[in-house]
Amino acid sequence: SQTIHQWPATLVQPVGSPLSLECTVEGTSNPNLYWYRQAAGRGLQLLFYSIGIDQISSEVPQNLSASRPQDRQFILSSKKLLLSDSGFYLCACRAGAGNTIYFGEGSWLTVV
Amino acid sequence: KNQVEQSPQSLIILEGKNCTLQCNYTVSPFSNLRWYKQDTGRGPVSLTIMTFSENTKSNGRYTATLDADTKQSSLHITASQLSDSASYICVVGPAYGGATNKLIFGTGTLLAVQP
Repeated sequence: SQTIHQWPATLVQPVGSPLSLECTVEGTSNPNLYWYRQAAGRGLQLLFYSIGIDQISSEVPQNLSASRPQDRQFILSSKKLLLSDSGFYLCACRAGAGNTIYFGEGSWLTVV
Repeated sequence: KNQVEQSPQSLIILEGKNCTLQCNYTVSPFSNLRWYKQDTGRGPVSLTIMTFSENTKSNGRYTATLDADTKQSSLHITASQLSDSASYICVVGPAYGGATNKLIFGTGTLLAVQP
């Protein structure tokens, strides 16, 4: 089965600083990859999804961007963080004919 | 509007007891319904996934039921253990969505199992 690695696990960044969260997937090829944000008391919100290298779709307008430079690598970035970017970010993967979505361990971002 | 509502928001039970979590949805057309377990500060882990034609699915002590007519699902936990303490999230997949898999997430039920 797929294994998803996310890092860093936690980070505290000042407002206006850049961001890079990285996600890599093992155990599959050509997966669909997703970035979600989970705010306290709210359901997961889909931020970006990708069906292949350099193929990124954005679900909501925001201060973040995503890139997929390799088949099993998905990166979430920002040039200048806002306080509202704080939250729990989850990378997820769906591969092959399976319908299960696998999630990484998440990255806690606090913007101060 | 497509929505997924879970109840109760939180629940405390004693170890060894059973409990049932509820999920109501208004997603249409409907394709599948999933239950995830999320430990605090961790990523969600899949428990069950059911298509619209399935009524029940079990995974160990977890049993999910689905009534596509009334748009309701439940997750029953049998003989609860301390490790069951977590947030349980109901997720509905609409029939459209393709590769985006535009899943709609509930806000979860926070379960605390006490000794």
